[in-house]
Amino acid sequence: DTAVSQTPKYLVTQMGNDKSIKCEQNLGHDTMYWYKQDSKKFLKIMFSYNNKELIINETVPNRFSPKSPDKAHLNLHINSLELGDSAVYFCASSNQGAGGETQYFGPGTRLLVL
Amino acid sequence: SQKIEQNSEALNIQEGKTATLTCNYTNYSPAYLQWYRQDPGRGPVFLLLIRENEKEKRKERLKVTFDTTLKQSLFHITASQPADSATYLCALRLNNNDMRFGAGTRLTVKP
Repeated sequence: DTAVSQTPKYLVTQMGNDKSIKCEQNLGHDTMYWYKQDSKKFLKIMFSYNNKELIINETVPNRFSPKSPDKAHLNLHINSLELGDSAVYFCASSNQGAGGETQYFGPGTRLLVL
Repeated sequence: SQKIEQNSEALNIQEGKTATLTCNYTNYSPAYLQWYRQDPGRGPVFLLLIRENEKEKRKERLKVTFDTTLKQSLFHITASQPADSATYLCALRLNNNDMRFGAGTRLTVKP
């Protein structure tokens, strides 16, 4: 069974469109994340949700909105897509706690905005 | 300004040698540091975690050191194999549950 899954794997769309990327984890983790990896392969955190509460909100445009219907899901909605949004988006999950944490990443969603 | 720097973008070594990758950071106070492996077209995979009060951690052929005075971590792969070829990312866990990744070092192990 896949631990962290994302859909779709590839997303090609026109500038100005609105799109969503879905993420699900079956690890029972209490924290989920969205990362953006640009063409230079630099992985940057965008959002983190812990028990359905946003705990990190990096300086990303408000066109990006995370939505967590429950602990196992964290979806990313993007409004008015721009060329610069083209990147690979990774979802990850982890558990908080004194034991430290390992982040488990999904396979990524490759977004291309034309 | 805050920075995480991995010593080189790419590192080529011969099979059987030890690969040493460096992660330096400035103006961060991480709770701990992690190393991840990323293969092309895939998400990062966790390898090792080392806390601020630990000097060294080992796992099979992997060894990580952490010097909070130098603000540096070294990642070693001994007896390297072509299958070790990948991009290796260091990541700092900050106290507010934030994670910061370095840009990665692409390791190529030649047979």
